Amino acid sequence: QQQVKQSPQSLIVQKGGISIINCAYENTAFDYFPWYQQFPGKGPALLIAIRPDVSEKKEGRFTISFNKSAKQFSLHIMDSQPGDSATYFCAASPGGDSNYQLIWGAGTKLIIKP
Amino acid sequence: SQTIHQWPATLVQPVGSPLSLECTVEGTSNPNLYWYRQAAGRGLQLLFYSVGIGQISSEVPQNLSASRPQDRQFILSSKKLLLSDSGFYLCAWSRGAEDTQYFGPGTRLTVL
Repeated sequence: QQQVKQSPQSLIVQKGGISIINCAYENTAFDYFPWYQQFPGKGPALLIAIRPDVSEKKEGRFTISFNKSAKQFSLHIMDSQPGDSATYFCAASPGGDSNYQLIWGAGTKLIIKP
Repeated sequence: SQTIHQWPATLVQPVGSPLSLECTVEGTSNPNLYWYRQAAGRGLQLLFYSVGIGQISSEVPQNLSASRPQDRQFILSSKKLLLSDSGFYLCAWSRGAEDTQYFGPGTRLTVL
């Protein structure tokens, strides 16, 4: 119940295309869903995050779509650029006193072909 | 602004040798602190977290240990390294009441 399942494991997208990464969870107590971006040799950095009171959050070319009933959330990267090539991690947190317990997906290696 | 430092950036150690990795945070007080390990091409494995000085919780039993001697200092140690300890070690912090974790630059550890 504590797992976050992320897919695909790797993804190749043409420049200008839409990159879509999906995550699914089981624990209905999760109430915070961040996405992190990691470049090789660097630590992950927060990209965008959503709480379940909204179904979508957009920041520039990055959008999180959230489906509470299906217990799924996804990251969409519009107009994908070579600079977006990185590993992306979804995560979920139960919040409250356990808000340090981020449960991580396994990661998706995204390659944008020029 | 807050910054997080880790050192060393890279480390090559023989099997059976001790380990000490250090993480410090600047610009905030009483942060939650975390140690993660990331194997090559894999996800993040939470090793330890701390909500205060001297308070350490272990997520994965192993030959590693952590200590928090000061509010903004977090140390990862081992008495005897194993080959399987090789990996990318990441320190992170978060504010007590918030969820976002901010990561340091990481330490690449190779055990030979």
